[in-house]
Order: sequence, then C-alpha cells, then structure tokens
Amino acid sequence: DVQLTQSPSSLSASVGDIVTVTCRASQSITMYLNWYQKKPGKAPKLLIFAASSLQSGVPSRFSGSGYGTDFTLTIDSLEPEDFATYYCQQSSTSPYTFGRGTKLDIK
Amino acid sequence: QVHLQESGPGLVKPSQTLSLTCTVSGGSISSGGYYWNWIRHHPGKGLEWIGYISHSGNTEFNPSLKSRVIIMGDTSENQVSLRLSSVTAADTAVYYCASTYSSGPPYYGMDVWGPGTSVTVS
Repeated sequence: DVQLTQSPSSLSASVGDIVTVTCRASQSITMYLNWYQKKPGKAPKLLIFAASSLQSGVPSRFSGSGYGTDFTLTIDSLEPEDFATYYCQQSSTSPYTFGRGTKLDIK
Repeated sequence: QVHLQESGPGLVKPSQTLSLTCTVSGGSISSGGYYWNWIRHHPGKGLEWIGYISHSGNTEFNPSLKSRVIIMGDTSENQVSLRLSSVTAADTAVYYCASTYSSGPPYYGMDVWGPGTSVTVS
C-alpha cells in the first residue's frame, strides 16, 4: 500500500495567516493526490484534486502543488471557517489511502 | 448534481453482518464514468477507503477488508450497498458513500459525499 505521511499532525494559526500542510507518499503517485477538509459531524469535502486542480466552488485561497512523492496544500489568508482537519488521499493505486490528517485550530 | 444518502442500522452485534445502503439521486449508478465508493471514519482516527463499484459493475476493495466486504449495485432502486461480515468493535465507525467521476480510472478524488451513517458494533 502507498503510505501517506502528513505534517504537521496539528497546527495552530490565526485568521489571516498563511498555512502550509505537506503530504509525502511512500512511492511515486505522479499527480494523483487529493486534499479534503473535514469538520466534526460533517462529511469530508474535496478541495483539491490531481495535486493542484481546485474543485468547483472551493475558494481560491486554497491551492495545491507537488508531483511524485511530495505535495503541499496552502491556505492563503485563513478564514474562521477554515479551522478543520485536512486529509490528503492518493488515487494512483488501490487501495486509495489517506494521510492521518492535520488538525488546524485557532491560536 | 448527484446526491447521496446512506442508511442502515446504527447498532450491529459482534460477528454479525453490517449492511448499509447508499441511495443515489440526481443521476444513475450506471451512468458512464462513475465510481461509487465506501469510506469509513473510525472515532478519533483517520479515514479508510473500503472499496468501490463502478458504473459497469466492476469492484475494487481494500485488501485489509476484502475477505469480508461485498459491494453491489441495484439499478432498479438506484442504490449501492455495502455488506461487511464478521464485524467486531474495530468496525465501529461513521460510514460514508462518495462518488468519483472519471473518464478513465478513478483518479480525480471523491467529490460528492453522503452525510454519513454511524455504526456501532456492540
């Protein structure tokens, strides 16, 4: 299985900050890395697919980059509604594994 | 826009079979390009992909669960079902169905999710 290592596991930030979350794959997954936002009691929400493509309806302050084994999710100018847990997921090879998540909370 | 809704018992006894249904509206489960996934979220832990059934009936499962999982589609009811046998407390989780749309392999993420259904094994 492809292992995804997210860092950091938790992060404290303030409204208006820029935050970056990284996801490293145990083998090359080319561009097939997706990012989700999850809030308690809610289903995950797809933010970024194929490493850098913004899902329809997602604010442009979210962006993704990377290829191969190293990927990044960046949130420019945090809004109050962005405090949540973020997961990466690879869709290159079955089983389609997730990272362990990065919990973003308010400083 | 496709809409998904999971349903099923919230409590299952150990060793029994967990059966869940995902009702699809706004689109047909046999529409080309769709993959219908099951994912679960263990309390306080991460997300785990269980498997999918494609629009054409092809299935793919997580090897960690493959011996216990069946995913089927019912085109007459436009539903996708999950059956997980021999459950234990470790199968307690919130179960989600989610769709992927892709002209080829399911590369592009799961963009539509149901609200999830909580299942406790006890």
